[in-house]
Amino acid sequence: GESVGLHLPTLSVQEGDNSIINCAYSNSASDYFIWYKQESGKGPQFIIDIRSNMDKRQGQRVTVLLNKTVKHLSLQIAATQPGDSAVYFCAERKDYKLSFGAGTTVTVRA
Amino acid sequence: SQTIHQWPATLVQPVGSPLSLECTVEGTSNPNLYWYRQAAGRGLQLLFYSVGIGQISSEVPQNLSASRPQDRQFILSSKKLLLSDSGFYLCAWTSPEGMSGNTIYFGEGSWLTVV
Repeated sequence: GESVGLHLPTLSVQEGDNSIINCAYSNSASDYFIWYKQESGKGPQFIIDIRSNMDKRQGQRVTVLLNKTVKHLSLQIAATQPGDSAVYFCAERKDYKLSFGAGTTVTVRA
Repeated sequence: SQTIHQWPATLVQPVGSPLSLECTVEGTSNPNLYWYRQAAGRGLQLLFYSVGIGQISSEVPQNLSASRPQDRQFILSSKKLLLSDSGFYLCAWTSPEGMSGNTIYFGEGSWLTVV
């Protein structure tokens, strides 16, 4: 079964605001985490990753936070744009396997 | 640069018919290869993974099978499709080092509708 889940299935955000997408994972042995973005009818697209020995990593307009104490992962998107509308998945990796949660659908309001 | 190709993009198959989805990776050698399935509105379920030619690991029991006839080719097959096999199938790859720190990259997916 799936070992990674997301707190909310949907998120509506005003254009220009910051978005925060949350994820809880259950496998404490996972040592690598990834956020993916999936647009309708397409394969998942890599956004940002973080190793378990880190608690924060920043990319372009995105930041991933990892709290291993409570097994929580979050993705922050700064200045959300209409093109950010998609389904976002967190995933945890252990050895060769990558396990996904069910996803959060983000809708950006103009 | 590395690319991944997956086909066909869409197909409609009758119940009981065979299936063959193909995936190839270019620009790398000895990649780890994966097949995932995504049901509508759901996350991705790992079906098979392969760390080398002829080495296939199955994650869930089902009427699907996978083969890796060449280093960069991964095939998903079924002898007789079920209605429950409908879904979005994704091929993916990662570098041969394959361990922590190497992300998995996905193809564009194949939509399968079993009627």
